[in-house]
Amino acid sequence: EPEVTQTPSHQVTQMGQEVILRCVPISNHLYFYWYRQILGQKVEFLVSFYNNEISEKSEIFDDQFSVERPDGSNFTLKIRSTKLEDSAMYFCAGRISTNEKLFFGSGTQLSVL
Amino acid sequence: EDQVTQSPEALRLQEGESSSLNCSYTVSGLRGLFWYRQDPGKGPEFLFTLYSAGEEKEKERLKATLTKKESFLHITAPKPEDSATYLCAVQAAYSGGGADGLTFGKGTHLIIQP
Repeated sequence: EPEVTQTPSHQVTQMGQEVILRCVPISNHLYFYWYRQILGQKVEFLVSFYNNEISEKSEIFDDQFSVERPDGSNFTLKIRSTKLEDSAMYFCAGRISTNEKLFFGSGTQLSVL
Repeated sequence: EDQVTQSPEALRLQEGESSSLNCSYTVSGLRGLFWYRQDPGKGPEFLFTLYSAGEEKEKERLKATLTKKESFLHITAPKPEDSATYLCAVQAAYSGGGADGLTFGKGTHLIIQP
């Protein structure tokens, strides 16, 4: 079965540094998402992306965050200047349509020191 | 604001002991209710989508049901490999409140003892 692939699986960075989390969605998916899960907390919606632009974003997704899909394959989440509270597991997800099930990747564990 | 509350937070069962997990939700028009399984350190794995009250879906030892206010995930004769965190999520029908994204509950951590 096709999978959503995320790299790296773990990322450690210093506060204030920029990080880029990468995802390769399933090839026939059209809608792409980033979610995060702080340890012991809920999975939280960050942003949705369709037709090469953001379609919706949560309050968490402030100016420090950005997403892009530069080559029609990779889907990236950039955090411009990381904060301690950005430490979380970040999940990439995708689906064929907004009525279909969402497929999640295995996540990138981001640790900000 | 859309809300999802799952209970219990944790549940420990003996192998073969059937039980139910609850998901109560408040949403501005339900577009879909989703159940996912999450293993430690992994992403959520899709189980079911329910769209309207009265709908039921089954997969192996799991059965999901939906009413206008809550959903249940029934686990029949569970095995140790069913141990995981089970997540409930809703998708709203209207924009501006997460119509595109899912709103998740905190999950029920299920442990099945042999």
